[in-house]
Amino acid sequence: NAGVMQNPRHLVRRRGQEARLRCSPMKGHSHVYWYRQLPEEGLKFMVYLQKENIIDESGMPKERFSAEFPKEGPSILRIQQVVRGDSAAYFCASSPGTSGRYSYNEQFFGPGTRLTVL
Amino acid sequence: QQQVKQSPQSLIVQKGGIPIINCAYENTAFDYFPWYQQFPGKGPALLIAIRPDVSEKKEGRFTISFNKSAKQFSLHIMDSQPGDSATYFCAALMNRDDKIIFGKGTRLHILP
Repeated sequence: NAGVMQNPRHLVRRRGQEARLRCSPMKGHSHVYWYRQLPEEGLKFMVYLQKENIIDESGMPKERFSAEFPKEGPSILRIQQVVRGDSAAYFCASSPGTSGRYSYNEQFFGPGTRLTVL
Repeated sequence: QQQVKQSPQSLIVQKGGIPIINCAYENTAFDYFPWYQQFPGKGPALLIAIRPDVSEKKEGRFTISFNKSAKQFSLHIMDSQPGDSATYFCAALMNRDDKIIFGKGTRLHILP
């Protein structure tokens, strides 16, 4: 049973370019979350999606960032016109939407995409 | 405003010692407190979690102590091993919310 998959693992972009990060949730999981981790910081919530719906985007910057989770295919986090401050590790997590080992909707994290903006 | 404060930032312990990582929170609406372990180049993995109606939870060599009145909780690792060297994050969430609030992390190094 494959875990959460993210690609690419490393992404280098020049300022002003677009970055597209992909996340394939675990089999049977219908909930996807995106978090950003800056150097020496904890993870910060960005957005929570279910298939074809954005449930909570309260942590997403208002401009340049967007996320989707289509009916078919992976979830995509898109960053337009990247700036140096976007350099970070972006983690995707998925959950089944039902209670897990601790009676809450446990999230399983992927290995992350490390974005470097030159 | 940081909702979960974690200390220390880094910690070095001899093999067999008991590293202790502390966290404090402010929002009394939090009702779930997980700890995550992250190895370099990997995503965080859930290690152990506790609800505020319990004062202690043990899983193997890992123990969470919880003080609801002080709004503090801590992770203890018994008989620590070099393989425990990793970054540990405390976290909090409201079960109805699904949004995990992470501390800044503690980089733990266990000396052989």
